[in-house]
Amino acid sequence: QKEVEQNSGPLSVPEGAIASLNCTYSDRGSQSFFWYRQYSGKSPELIMFIYSNGDKEDGRFTAQLNKASQYVSLLIRDSQPSDSATYLCAVNLGGTASKLTFGTGTRLQVTL
Amino acid sequence: GAVVSQHPSWVICKSGTSVKIECRSLDFQATTMFWYRQFPKQSLMLMATSNEGSKATYEQGVEKDKFLINHASLTLSTLTVTSAHPEDSSFYICSAVAGGTTDTQYFGPGTRLTVL
Repeated sequence: QKEVEQNSGPLSVPEGAIASLNCTYSDRGSQSFFWYRQYSGKSPELIMFIYSNGDKEDGRFTAQLNKASQYVSLLIRDSQPSDSATYLCAVNLGGTASKLTFGTGTRLQVTL
Repeated sequence: GAVVSQHPSWVICKSGTSVKIECRSLDFQATTMFWYRQFPKQSLMLMATSNEGSKATYEQGVEKDKFLINHASLTLSTLTVTSAHPEDSSFYICSAVAGGTTDTQYFGPGTRLTVL
């Protein structure tokens, strides 16, 4: 069983729609949860992090965490073509030297 | 804030030579830096964890004598690929974690290595 699972996609949404990206993790000790965006040929870029159950909003992005279900999601409102990228979910056990465990990423395509 | 740079952004070298890649945290002190490798269409693979002033911790299967890591200061870590071979061609990415209570990793822009 993979430690962090994501649907590889591609997830295709029309411009202006809401994109919903999902991630599940296996280690109940996970403390910190991150969403990164990676454009082709580029390095990951931090979008959001979330530590507590519930929703966290930042602009067009909302991260949702449910530790009981071991589930974290990212919603992108008003999707733009520039949002087309691979979105990586990552978790760690907390602490400054804690390694990240990445999912394989979901490729998002926002169509005109 | 939280800017991480890497140098060089790309490098082409001959087989058997060594290549040094620098990772710098520009606006914060990084107690911990990580080195990753990513092959095309694959996920990030953690190579090692680098802590300032101590030896790096390598992941299983990563040769520490081939991938030399030095974290001499709180803003600089270097990865040296020794005796590079074509199979070492990859995208090498570092990340840095600021000190204190945060555990957020900020990634550098990556270094694309091509070994001929």
